[in-house]
Amino acid sequence: DTGVSQNPRHKITKRGQNVTFRCDPISEHNRLYWYRQTLGQGPEFLTYFQNEAQLEKSRLLSDRFSAERPKGSFSTLEIQRTEQGDSAMYLCASSLETGGTNTEAFFGQGTRLTVV
Amino acid sequence: KQEVTQIPAALSVPEGENLVLNCSFTDSAIYNLQWFRQDPGKGLTSLLLIQSSQREQTSGRLNASLDKSSGRSTLYIAASQPGDSATYLCAVKRWTGANNLFFGTGTRLTVIP
Repeated sequence: DTGVSQNPRHKITKRGQNVTFRCDPISEHNRLYWYRQTLGQGPEFLTYFQNEAQLEKSRLLSDRFSAERPKGSFSTLEIQRTEQGDSAMYLCASSLETGGTNTEAFFGQGTRLTVV
Repeated sequence: KQEVTQIPAALSVPEGENLVLNCSFTDSAIYNLQWFRQDPGKGLTSLLLIQSSQREQTSGRLNASLDKSSGRSTLYIAASQPGDSATYLCAVKRWTGANNLFFGTGTRLTVIP
């Protein structure tokens, strides 16, 4: 499968626990994005990487959230001390940015987080 | 701040009908606009990407138009099928500032057999 892959697909955790999600982008893509989507809403931007550099973080990304892309390939998103308000679908997307105009973003299937 | 609105929020049509979904955005300085499809509990599937310099894009039964000056895009679906039932999201990318996509809340389409 050459698309964007996210694991796990579903995660149920108790409030206060830490969780980590993984995203494997399309292999030649240099940009990787994390979004969060709650029920009935469109995805909201969290952060993005250009290769291994984290270039932008949204105000939604509190200090309990951390993201890494250590070798410019896969990325992880960790949420510490989870709260019920963190329950959402976490989506990863990747794109190839070469200075051209086609920057189509491709999304993974998401990780559905439920905090109980 | 870029705001994206999609109307209607939900739409139900009989199979075979042609339909139009609407998307509007407040900041016309966009880099591109992308239409996605999302099935319940799933991720997003890219349908069409329109560059800021383009006026429309077509893929099969889908046609997307872009009027940047008025801040509008439409997604036209011809001869709708029950398999088209899903939520359709539009998203814009700006020229400056944030490199992310700004999404609307989507139109939930139901095609009745």
